Amino acid sequence: GAVVSQHPSRVICKSGTSVKIECRSLDFQATTMFWYRQFPKQSLMLMATSNEGSKATYEQGVEKDKFLINHASLTLSTLTVTSAHPEDSSFYICSAREFRTDSYEQYFGPGTRLTVT
Amino acid sequence: DAKTTQPTSMDCAEGRAANLPCNHSTISGNEYVYWYRQIHSQGPQYIIHGLKNNETNEMASLIITEDRKSSTLILPHATLRDTAVYYCIARGAGSYQLTFGKGTKLSVIP
Repeated sequence: GAVVSQHPSRVICKSGTSVKIECRSLDFQATTMFWYRQFPKQSLMLMATSNEGSKATYEQGVEKDKFLINHASLTLSTLTVTSAHPEDSSFYICSAREFRTDSYEQYFGPGTRLTVT
Repeated sequence: DAKTTQPTSMDCAEGRAANLPCNHSTISGNEYVYWYRQIHSQGPQYIIHGLKNNETNEMASLIITEDRKSSTLILPHATLRDTAVYYCIARGAGSYQLTFGKGTKLSVIP
């Protein structure tokens, strides 16, 4: 149980275009979903936290107009990178927290490798 | 959340126990110690967590010192598939955010 999927696993896009990444909790309802970014040879950095039905909370230094997050249901969150540039190339990972008051566990997706050319 | 310190890298022979240390000298009483690992180009995988007692599951054992200022993750019989970056994270009881440090890159050698 507690499986999180991401789609696509890899995406290449041209500079200036937008790309959407989906994060789904497959066998549980997720109250909260998190989006992380990981540059090569670096650790995961939290970008934003989203709760179903409300606006995402972005970490300092993350542009909310560039990284649009939508958490429209308890099983789906999307991250849209708008007007992508080569410096946005990174590994994007989502995680989800189960809709339980007694659980603080996060389950991670497999990640999406974004390359902007 | 308390800061954790881990060695940058470690090697372990296949079949031997891998002991990964973590220092969390400023941990507070309600902070749990969590361990995750990340195999190359994959999302992090939960391993184990504990508060003050030692814990064991099918993947690993977690030994926490009595003063809780450090802990050791033990993989009893390391395999090549255990090669990964291992993250030790201190997380408050009421917090659901995880702050990843640099972790320890464990290389299991045949």
